[in-house]
Amino acid sequence: DAGVTQSPTHLIKTRGQQVTLRCSPKSGHDTVSWYQQALGQGPQFIFQYYEEEERQRGNFPDRFSGHQFPNYSSELNVNALLLGDSALYLCASSWGDRNTEAFFGQGTRLTVV
Amino acid sequence: EDQVTQSPEALRLQEGESSSLNCSYTVSGLRGLFWYRQDPGKGPEFLFTLYSAGEEKEKERLKATLTKKESFLHITAPKPEDSATYLCAARNSGYALNFGKGTSLLVTP
Repeated sequence: DAGVTQSPTHLIKTRGQQVTLRCSPKSGHDTVSWYQQALGQGPQFIFQYYEEEERQRGNFPDRFSGHQFPNYSSELNVNALLLGDSALYLCASSWGDRNTEAFFGQGTRLTVV
Repeated sequence: EDQVTQSPEALRLQEGESSSLNCSYTVSGLRGLFWYRQDPGKGPEFLFTLYSAGEEKEKERLKATLTKKESFLHITAPKPEDSATYLCAARNSGYALNFGKGTSLLVTP
């Protein structure tokens, strides 16, 4: 049973560029959340997708956008990258409305230079 | 505003030396208190979810407890492989997990 998988694992981008990160949820899960984790900090909630709709958003600018596909996989897009966007981006999947056990992927390490 | 605070920031233990990690929270309408373990460069690994004051859950050398204002993660007779960052997160009536900054645990032989 595959867990949550994210791609790519590492990425280096130049300031001002755009990036797309991908996530496949754990088998049987239909909800995907994205988090940003800066070095030495806890993860910060970006947004959550359920039934292909964004149902809650954290305190992140509109440069951060996402999408969920019919197979429940998800993408996180970040436009106009800033140096401060360098972080570990984590995808978490869960089932339905309860969010009782959110399982995380291994993350994508994004470095903006 | 919801807040989750973990203490201590870092903890060094000798193998076999039991201790507790603290997570204090101010969350309106708590819908779950979560504990995760995170190894360097990896995603958080789910450990426990607690829902109501007085609830306890155990897994191997770890036991999590919950009061109305705090949660504790008790580590009994830790081993070097228990070294990791332990993250606590609270969920209110929404869907987001509100994480603390974590406690970095080092267990030495």
